[in-house]
Amino acid sequence: GDSVTQMEGPVTLSEEAFLTINCTYTATGYPSLFWYVQYPGEGLQLLLKATKADDKGSNKGFEATYRKETTSFHLEKGSVQVSDSAVYFCALMMDSSYKLIFGSGTRLLVRP
Amino acid sequence: GAVVSQHPSWVICKSGTSVKIECRSLDFQATTMFWYRQFPKQSLMLMATSNEGSKATYEQGVEKDKFLINHASLTLSTLTVTSAHPEDSSFYICSASYGGTDTQYFGPGTRLTVL
Repeated sequence: GDSVTQMEGPVTLSEEAFLTINCTYTATGYPSLFWYVQYPGEGLQLLLKATKADDKGSNKGFEATYRKETTSFHLEKGSVQVSDSAVYFCALMMDSSYKLIFGSGTRLLVRP
Repeated sequence: GAVVSQHPSWVICKSGTSVKIECRSLDFQATTMFWYRQFPKQSLMLMATSNEGSKATYEQGVEKDKFLINHASLTLSTLTVTSAHPEDSSFYICSASYGGTDTQYFGPGTRLTVL
């Protein structure tokens, strides 16, 4: 079945470091891909998305490119801040269902 | 905008009792609501999808008689865990969407502990 695999955390970085969180997917068709972020004590929020191959989603300095050839959607940010500390979830959605399939989440901790 | 609330945020109950969790869309009309379950350090697993005024569609392996979902209005869905047991202890999260869009707005979750 369709699935999402993302790197295990926690990922610990110093402020202003470069961030990459890997995400790969398995799907029978052509899904839309998402990154959601969960800050402490809050619900998941949509961070960015891409709906077709080679699309780049971006928001708040974060970027991810939909790579069909490698079935990947890695999250990157050039310079992280302490306020970016959160749990990041990669997810896919097949067009017809509107159901999200999530990866296991990656906790990011940014130290001052 | 697009705020979803859940109530209660945490609940402790005795084994054998039933617990109701509410999910509300505060500033939009939610045509579809989703219920997820999250185990510690694991992903969110979709339990069911509900459309206003229709019966919920449950994912494979989810007991519909145990997890009763009611989507009575465009702003409210409820999940009732019936005859709860310790293995039902988990973090339950709802989300809502509108207009057939692919964006879901998530509630903050409800932690259920069954003693």
